[in-house]
Amino acid sequence: DQQVKQNSPSLSVQEGRISILNCDYTNSMFDYFLWYKKYPAEGPTFLISISSIKDKNEDGRFTVFLNKSAKHLSLHIVPSQPGDSAVYFCAASVEADKLIFGTGTRLQVFP
Amino acid sequence: EAGVAQSPRYKIIEKRQSVAFWCNPISGHATLYWYQQILGQGPKLLIQFQNNGVVDDSQLPKDRFSAERLKGVDSTLKIQPAKLEDSAVYLCASSHGQGNNEQFFGPGTRLTVL
Repeated sequence: DQQVKQNSPSLSVQEGRISILNCDYTNSMFDYFLWYKKYPAEGPTFLISISSIKDKNEDGRFTVFLNKSAKHLSLHIVPSQPGDSAVYFCAASVEADKLIFGTGTRLQVFP
Repeated sequence: EAGVAQSPRYKIIEKRQSVAFWCNPISGHATLYWYQQILGQGPKLLIQFQNNGVVDDSQLPKDRFSAERLKGVDSTLKIQPAKLEDSAVYLCASSHGQGNNEQFFGPGTRLTVL
């Protein structure tokens, strides 16, 4: 039972444009959501998070949007840069319990 | 600040053999996690330690997997005997405390079981 889903395994975006990565979840009890970025042969690196009491959180070029009614969150990267090319994982937790990860989306930013 | 250290980085064994992985978390981090990441999937939590006590091992296959964190610092994860389906990257992570504290991941150990 996949509680956190990233339905797009890959995404290709031109440098300077917006990258939008999507994540859906099934457990309405999730109250904290995170995005991690992973380069090859490295461990995931925390990128940005959002609590369920908010619908938007912004950090520089990265913005996460949360739509609780749709059980959907998205990560926007503007503008996209070649160094953003990586695998992005969405994760969620219930009341500070363990993180449940999605399957990841591979982002490629081309010049 | 040094990151989470893991060794070895790669390991190839035959099925039914045993293997052990080591993790040294970031200094001062009380919580340590072991994850299994199978190719094409996201990381799945195997076990979580708070200092040297187990907080959650509900997804650890206890018939073959074991983990310990005896002095509340570094940790070892063991598989005995290994199966083909254990082929995965084993990630160690640490955080200051439990819950919504940011988890810092090590580079992982890629295990191949032949």
